[in-house]
Amino acid sequence: SQQGEEDPQALSIQEGENATMNCSYKTSINNLQWYRQNSGRGLVHLILIRSNEREKHSGRLRVTLDTSKKSSSLLITASRAADTASYFCATDEVGSTLGRLYFGRGTQLTVWP
Amino acid sequence: SQTIHQWPATLVQPVGSPLSLECTVEGTSNPNLYWYRQAAGRGLQLLFYSVGIGQISSEVPQNLSASRPQDRQFILSSKKLLLSDSGFYLCAWRPGTARGEPQHFGDGTRLSIL
Repeated sequence: SQQGEEDPQALSIQEGENATMNCSYKTSINNLQWYRQNSGRGLVHLILIRSNEREKHSGRLRVTLDTSKKSSSLLITASRAADTASYFCATDEVGSTLGRLYFGRGTQLTVWP
Repeated sequence: SQTIHQWPATLVQPVGSPLSLECTVEGTSNPNLYWYRQAAGRGLQLLFYSVGIGQISSEVPQNLSASRPQDRQFILSSKKLLLSDSGFYLCAWRPGTARGEPQHFGDGTRLSIL
C-alpha cells in the first residue's frame, strides 16, 4: 500500500482566486477522500469520491478522480482567507481492512486578504 | 449527533514518564476507532485501530500501546516515553458497519517530551 501524495506542498494565493491541489496514489481504491486541517486542530472531512465517480461538487469545492492515472484534484473556487489550512487526500484502498485510510503529507494553502 | 472528545489538549512530559491519552465517542455504537500520530509538516501515521472492545491492531512497532476498555473509549498509553514520541496525536472514529464512510477526528493532543 502507498499513501497519496499531494502536490504542491504549499500554495499561496489571493482572496477570490481559485486553488487547485492534486493527489496521486499507487494502488486500486474504493474511494478517495479530502480532508482539511486548521493549524493545531483535527482533520475535518470535506468530500468523498468513489472509484466509479469522475467528478463531485460540494459548495465551492470540486473534486475530480481519474482512476486510469491514479490521480485526483481538489479545486476551491473564489477562495477566502478562512480557507487557509492544510488539505490532505486519503485513499481507501481495495483490500484494506476496516476502513483504514492512507493519508498524504498535505498541501498547505495560504489565502491572503 | 455524534461527537468525539480527546484530552488533554496539550501535554508536556519528561523522558521516561508514563503516558495516557483518552478518546471517547458519543452518539454511536460499535464504532471503528483509530489513533494517528502527525509529525510537524507531515501526514498522518496510523498507530492503532480497533473494531471492538478489547480488539486492537497495531500498524507499526513502537513504544506505545492502545486499549479499548469500553465500546466508545480508546486509550493510548506508554510505560516510558521517549523523545521520539513527541508529536500531535489524533483519535478518529468511523461507523463500524458501513463501507466507504469518512473518518471523524478529535481535536488532537499536542505531546511534548522534554
